[in-house]
Amino acid sequence: EVQLVESGGGLVQPGGSLRLSCAASGFTFSSYWMSWVRQAPGKGLEWVANIKQDGSEKYYVDSVKGRFTISRDNAKNSLYLQMNSLRAEDTAVYYCARDSFSGGNDYWGQGTLVTVSS
Amino acid sequence: SYELTQPPSVSVSPGQTARITCSGDALPKQYAYWYQQKPGQAPVLVIYKDSERPSGIPERFSGSSSGTTVTLTISGVQAEDEADYYCQSADSSGTYKVFGGGTKLTVL
Repeated sequence: EVQLVESGGGLVQPGGSLRLSCAASGFTFSSYWMSWVRQAPGKGLEWVANIKQDGSEKYYVDSVKGRFTISRDNAKNSLYLQMNSLRAEDTAVYYCARDSFSGGNDYWGQGTLVTVSS
Repeated sequence: SYELTQPPSVSVSPGQTARITCSGDALPKQYAYWYQQKPGQAPVLVIYKDSERPSGIPERFSGSSSGTTVTLTISGVQAEDEADYYCQSADSSGTYKVFGGGTKLTVL
């Protein structure tokens, strides 16, 4: 059974940093692109970033470029999102999602809440 | 930046057909994907590559594409289909993903 479990969310002050983790199991993690998607309270989904199987390609939404870094450790079956210079508008539930071979995201974690507030 | 446009809400009675549209300039070049999200839950992929249905998704869910618009059709809507629906695609380069703003489907 495919499982994605996020962790690392919490309350952080504006300008602060946080590192999210996603533990993957039930599939060959190193064979898939992986993504982070976020959802602000009461708002829609927003794609944040994705990363190629070997980590050689990474793409970001404009609003997080230069502040967020996506990475992965295939030996640990883990995906990460390092978030720096956090802003109030980064407050959201952050989902880890697998990019399917057919495109789209076929499996999602349960999400982890990040709250940026003083 | 690239945008996908969805109607904010659609309402139908049980047993009727619901159609949710998604418009974007790159849709003739890029596939679209549809997700269903119920309150407090993670999204679920219901349509991929414009019109393909993942295993486990009921046959009443279908997708189509015409020019710059893709459509999610739910035939014989049931109360359990009440949810938010999001389309997803990519910009013309295929590099950057984007979601539509979401459509709240209300079953009257």
